[in-house]
Amino acid sequence: DADVTQTPRNRITKTGKRIMLECSQTKGHDRMYWYRQDPGLGLQLIYYSFDVKDINKGEISDGYSVSRQAQAKFSLSLESAIPNQTALYFCATSDSESFGPGTRLTVT
Amino acid sequence: GENVEQHPSTLSVQEGDSAVIKCTYSDSASNYFPWYKQELGKRPQLIIDIRSNVGEKKDQRIAVTLNKTAKHFSLHITETQPEDSAVYFCAASSNRGGTSYGKLTFGQGTILTVHP
Repeated sequence: DADVTQTPRNRITKTGKRIMLECSQTKGHDRMYWYRQDPGLGLQLIYYSFDVKDINKGEISDGYSVSRQAQAKFSLSLESAIPNQTALYFCATSDSESFGPGTRLTVT
Repeated sequence: GENVEQHPSTLSVQEGDSAVIKCTYSDSASNYFPWYKQELGKRPQLIIDIRSNVGEKKDQRIAVTLNKTAKHFSLHITETQPEDSAVYFCAASSNRGGTSYGKLTFGQGTILTVHP
């Protein structure tokens, strides 16, 4: 689904570093989501936004922050990365109908 | 909050057989139940969904049933093919208002393997 893009696709970073994952969509959807996927744990919601001025914490928001710069852009930040944040991160839009390709993040 | 349990965690079938994956949810306010297929290394893709005002929905070889009283819903795949092999996730969401749905809570996933 090329309408939802994520950058970077892969990233290796060190403990304590700040990192930003970016999501862009061309679908014109108001709702955007950030999920984390760990093996055997399905998808866990980190943050979600129903419009530019509406941002909400999900199940596992600790250690993460987000910014909704525009309707089309929703960024996820790890202020001080730690190894247990190593995971696959997905952005999604609408009611999670459209997922981005994912960002594989490794924190060493 | 909502809690979604999914079973089985792994399912192995022969090509042509049927596969059934079951999910239960805890929040009686949940009213939207999508299913996703995720192939290895790829993003989840919505394959079918059901809303709480219907009990069953079909799309070719895929069907989903919902029992609101028991708070469970199931995915049925008939005439399975090797290309159905993937991880399947169920999810549940409650309506935050209007015609759209709120945040999803996912099940843990089922690894389906279809042997030729």
